[in-house]
Amino acid sequence: QAGLTQPPSVSKDLRQTATLTCTGNSNNVGNEGAAWLQQHQGHPPKLLSYRNNNRPSGISERFSASRSGNTASLTITGLQPEDEGDYYCSAWDSTLSAWVFGGGTKLTVL
Amino acid sequence: QVQVVESGGGVVQPGRSLRLSCAASGFTFSSYPMHWVRRAPGKGLEWLAVILSDERKVFYADSVKGRFTISRDNSKNTLYLQMNNLRAEDAAVYYCVKEDDGFDIWGQGTMVTVSS
Repeated sequence: QAGLTQPPSVSKDLRQTATLTCTGNSNNVGNEGAAWLQQHQGHPPKLLSYRNNNRPSGISERFSASRSGNTASLTITGLQPEDEGDYYCSAWDSTLSAWVFGGGTKLTVL
Repeated sequence: QVQVVESGGGVVQPGRSLRLSCAASGFTFSSYPMHWVRRAPGKGLEWLAVILSDERKVFYADSVKGRFTISRDNSKNTLYLQMNNLRAEDAAVYYCVKEDDGFDIWGQGTMVTVSS
């Protein structure tokens, strides 16, 4: 099953802003939008946003999501050391009748 | 406290079967779709299957279709994943996930190792 496309890695300086991207097609990201998850080593993933820019309670306002066409983005402002980790996007694919994930982006905070 | 707890992982030989369970608590289990997602060593997250709240509608990833079966028992607040004909590439941490506006609640995962 075709997944979503994410850059494998992004590195940014402390307190800077990182924007992670996730590219799909009109059947998934472009249709119902994407959700974003964060995973730290040895821990389960945590939901950061759903349907583009809805944050679950307890998620910092430093995390904001958006979508333009078939590409979803997650912007993290004021980067902190604890933001290091793997970030995944996901979306329902209406043609495949399946959920698809991106390959993940490893974020490094320098 | 809303939580899901997986169990049933372990070491299994190629070609054999294994059944994972996921015990849910702290929420009305029968009201939500439930998923299985895995992460193999050195790889990213892979969605495997979902079962809707009414226990009837299920969807699978192509990689496990025909080998894995997702089911739920709403009377026991439990989700299952029956895995047959296991392959080396099925080795992973398997997560049970509740869906409510996204994958909002994840278990700690249970590890499956496929080795002869």
